[in-house]
Amino acid sequence: KAGVTQTPRYLIKTRGQQVTLSCSPISGHRSVSWYQQTPGQGLQFLFEYFSETQRNKGNFPGRFSGRQFSNSRSEMNVSTLELGDSALYLCASSLTGEQYFGPGTRLTVT
Amino acid sequence: AQKVTQAQTEISVVEKEDVTLDCVYETRDTTYYLFWYKQPPSGELVFLIRRNSFDEQNEISGRYSWNFQKSTSSFNFTITASQVVDSAVYFCALSVLGAQKLVFGQGTRLTINP
Repeated sequence: KAGVTQTPRYLIKTRGQQVTLSCSPISGHRSVSWYQQTPGQGLQFLFEYFSETQRNKGNFPGRFSGRQFSNSRSEMNVSTLELGDSALYLCASSLTGEQYFGPGTRLTVT
Repeated sequence: AQKVTQAQTEISVVEKEDVTLDCVYETRDTTYYLFWYKQPPSGELVFLIRRNSFDEQNEISGRYSWNFQKSTSSFNFTITASQVVDSAVYFCALSVLGAQKLVFGQGTRLTINP
């Protein structure tokens, strides 16, 4: 069974731009969660989607948003990028509570 | 609120030594889940184990073992006869019933030297 896939793997953006990251969960998994990993703050939960509905949300500003499609694929969007948004963005999918992570998208904001 | 503390920032041992990674957690919930993940240099978090709060039985999987003690709110991870391939950052995490949100510790960077 294929694992969680994330695209793109690397991204360089300029301050003020917006970005969209994509995540395809493991087949059959309906829950998709997003995390941000930075050297200073570590791994932090962004939000979780289940059946196209946001079920949980972390403590991030409204510039961070997401959505889930009927095939469980998910996207997250960051608008008005700031330098501090440079991070590894990890997506995880789950069927019964164990979360399986993708390889991440490394975003660099210059 | 939940909190996970991994006091060991970095550990370095010689191959074949046993090593224990400590994890202490805080939660007021009675039903919760504890996890360990491995993050190799490639960046992907690899799932290792999940335990629920009602199952304090220790678990062994090959060279890996986990010791869960509710009395001390700890969920420690031991690698026996370490190998160079075990070098990675290891994260302990906690979630509570009904929430898919994982609360992670700061991670322990483990280096196994040949």
